[in-house]
Amino acid sequence: EDQVTQSPEALRLQEGESSSLNCSYTVSGLRGLFWYRQDPGKGPEFLFTLYSAGEEKEKERLKATLTKKESFLHITAPKPEDSATYLCAVEGSGGGADGLTFGKGTHLIIQP
Amino acid sequence: GAGVSQTPSNKVTEKGKYVELRCDPISGHTALYWYRQSLGQGPEFLIYFQGTGAADDSGLPNDRFFAVRPEGSVSTLKIQRTERGDSAVYLCASSLGGGSTLTQYFGPGTRLTVL
Repeated sequence: EDQVTQSPEALRLQEGESSSLNCSYTVSGLRGLFWYRQDPGKGPEFLFTLYSAGEEKEKERLKATLTKKESFLHITAPKPEDSATYLCAVEGSGGGADGLTFGKGTHLIIQP
Repeated sequence: GAGVSQTPSNKVTEKGKYVELRCDPISGHTALYWYRQSLGQGPEFLIYFQGTGAADDSGLPNDRFFAVRPEGSVSTLKIQRTERGDSAVYLCASSLGGGSTLTQYFGPGTRLTVL
């Protein structure tokens, strides 16, 4: 059974204070690891897909990296508008459900 | 272009009643997914359609839950004899195809409250 654990559960940063969010996973045959952003009352918004260990992707102040056991979402010089819940999900090829397996998310608050 | 849309945005019903939740995927997307998200949790997979057929319904919690996609586009999630534990946000997602790592794009969700 695929599993995803995200840490920390919540993180409060000052504007401009860089940090990283962690996503640890166990999956039978990783097809892809996904990062989504979710604002209150809205559906998840796609950020990145990573396919293999060593891969990195960047978008504005966000950078996602992947190893064989975990992924990090690095946020550089965050702004208040980066406040949201960040969700990590995996898709495996091990014969389980065809949908994504999500973690509980990290609730990020950026204070001005 | 238009994203995934879901109606209604909110649904309040009484225990024991029947409800239908609708999902309109992105035009041209053949794969459609339903998820359920409880407060403080990540989305939980329910069912996956490739075209008109349910390719994987292993996430449906019991036989009170059923979903259809008769023409390969719009999908309806149906819940019979609703229970208070069914209260959650029901999310729909679509992608260009299924069975691969194609990105899933989510709708805004339907918040279901069972009194």
